Amino acid sequence: DAKTTQPPSMDCAEGRAANLPCNHSTISGNEYVYWYRQIHSQGPQYIIHGLKNNETNEMASLIITEDRKSSTLILPHATLRDTAVYYCIVRVNTDKLIFGTGTRLQVFP
Amino acid sequence: DAGVIQSPRHEVTEMGQEVTLRCKPISGHNSLFWYRQTMMRGLELLIYFNNNVPIDDSGMPEDRFSAKMPNASFSTLKIQPSEPRDSAVYFCASRPRQGGYNEQFFGPGTRLTVL
Repeated sequence: DAKTTQPPSMDCAEGRAANLPCNHSTISGNEYVYWYRQIHSQGPQYIIHGLKNNETNEMASLIITEDRKSSTLILPHATLRDTAVYYCIVRVNTDKLIFGTGTRLQVFP
Repeated sequence: DAGVIQSPRHEVTEMGQEVTLRCKPISGHNSLFWYRQTMMRGLELLIYFNNNVPIDDSGMPEDRFSAKMPNASFSTLKIQPSEPRDSAVYFCASRPRQGGYNEQFFGPGTRLTVL
């Protein structure tokens, strides 16, 4: 399993972009990068995933480096409701997910 | 769609008692996952099913834990006998067949306290 490394915590001002990094230097060619988040006392929520290309949806953007050894999740305009733990997971599609410790993002007014 | 439904939302029991947690996945989803979350160990996968068949139960802590999925719309996680160290939040998640990627939909969780 490819391991991921994320900073334990980050702060972001409301309205600004939140850029959450993830290192996955041992990623295999068929492994995808997934991002989930967990708001306090709720179940985790899928955000986005990608293989090689950058991806964007209504929640966030995912930037994957060309060598695929790292990625960045971007929340373009963070709000207080984005305060959560963000998990970066690298897995083969359809396989089970392994959650690490994630990054605790605190958005402040 | 109501999403993944779990019951009960909170359970308080005494050591030695049997505990049964219930999950109703999203209709049409063919994979179901049971997770446990504690402060010490984080979010751990216990077991998952594809098409009602258990695929990987390597995360089940011991024989006191068992899970069943008798049909596509219902699953149970049973702990017998329960112990204080089983206190945790238990999440159920389901995943659709179509798309072929790992978008899992999580329920609200069951907070279990074993006294």
